[in-house]
Amino acid sequence: ELKVEQNPLFLSMQEGKNYTIYCNYSTTSDRLYWYRQDPGKSLESLFVLLSNGAVKQEGRLMASLDTKARLSTLHITAAVHDLSATYFCAVARWETSGSRLTFGEGTQLTVNP
Amino acid sequence: DVKVTQSSRYLVKRTGEKVFLECVQDMDHENMFWYRQDPGLGLRLIYFSYDVKMKEKGDIPEGYSVSREKKERFSLILESASTNQTSMYLCASSSAWTGARTGELFFGEGSRLTVL
Repeated sequence: ELKVEQNPLFLSMQEGKNYTIYCNYSTTSDRLYWYRQDPGKSLESLFVLLSNGAVKQEGRLMASLDTKARLSTLHITAAVHDLSATYFCAVARWETSGSRLTFGEGTQLTVNP
Repeated sequence: DVKVTQSSRYLVKRTGEKVFLECVQDMDHENMFWYRQDPGLGLRLIYFSYDVKMKEKGDIPEGYSVSREKKERFSLILESASTNQTSMYLCASSSAWTGARTGELFFGEGSRLTVL
């Protein structure tokens, strides 16, 4: 059974600081996704990481994937209040009937002025 | 842009009622999914479908059924709603995971169901 664990689950940080969210998963996969969810809203896709060593950056967020370590990181640089949201990682696995994603518990990020 | 539309944003039902949650996507995606989201539990997969008239159980299918009669539409059915089915329900779709396709999920806005 595929397990996906994120840490920390809650993160309170000050504007301007850097921090990293970690996503560990238990079985082999070479596809990992990061999503953002604002309160009361649905999930919005941030990054799709499709191979070992993949790195994607968008603004103050950078995501990377190490399939050998079964680890992805979401790095936040010089945080701003607008980044306050819940961030989910999701890992894909292939089954005979197709692919499916398993999500982590989510990391609730609060950026304080 | 991909659009996934869920028919109801908020529903209030009574225990024992039959509940239909409808989801429509407009990007000709092969795959469709129903998740429920609860505080502290993240997103859990209820059912998914890779093709018309096909369905697969997810991690928590008990108490639910689904229907996919057309490619663009995927319905979640609660035959007899119970209070522990009070939750946020999220529908998602994706292209088939082949070739250069990423398998990325696109989500609807969610349906918040309260069962009294």
